Amino acid sequence: AQTVTQSQPEMSVQEAETVTLSCTYDTSESDYYLFWYKQPPSRQMILVIRQEAYKQQNATENRFSVNFQKAAKSFSLKISDSQLGDAAMYFCAYRRGAQKLVFGQGTRLTINP
Amino acid sequence: DTAVSQTPKYLVTQMGNDKSIKCEQNLGHDTMYWYKQDSKKFLKIMFSYNNKELIINETVPNRFSPKSPDKAHLNLHINSLELGDSAVYFCASSPRRGRETQYFGPGTRLLVL
Repeated sequence: AQTVTQSQPEMSVQEAETVTLSCTYDTSESDYYLFWYKQPPSRQMILVIRQEAYKQQNATENRFSVNFQKAAKSFSLKISDSQLGDAAMYFCAYRRGAQKLVFGQGTRLTINP
Repeated sequence: DTAVSQTPKYLVTQMGNDKSIKCEQNLGHDTMYWYKQDSKKFLKIMFSYNNKELIINETVPNRFSPKSPDKAHLNLHINSLELGDSAVYFCASSPRRGRETQYFGPGTRLLVL
């Protein structure tokens, strides 16, 4: 069974600085998808970024980028120029094809003004 | 315009009661999901329907019964509620059974007393 591990329960960063959240996963498949979701205090699950495993190029979305290392099964999220609104729980998730999303345990990110 | 909506947002009830949570998506998606987020924030799939057909049924007690009257709706009925059912329940949808991103509803916080 696929597993997703986020080894950092909590992280904090100064406003305007850069922070990297770690995620590793375990799979024997070669074709799959990886996601980062953000959950602010409002509870809403918001998609931050998505990476297709067959693409070598790392996905970017404005201030958010990933470092996808397929051989190492690593999928970290980098947030540049951190803003107070980035404070949230961040979940890494794996999905293969039509199957379910498998989530990591989450990382709580605090932004210090 | 709300994409994935859930009602109610909050539900407080006594042990032993039966309750339902409704989910509707106006995105024209074919596939819908129910996830459970426990008190430690861990998210796990419960069910998935594709065009009203059950395609994922994790090891969930049979007190939980999903119902999909049409592909825009996926309701969750829970019989004989227990304390351990207290959680946040998320509905999600994706365009089709396959390689698409899942979009989440706002969640329903269920508290069983």
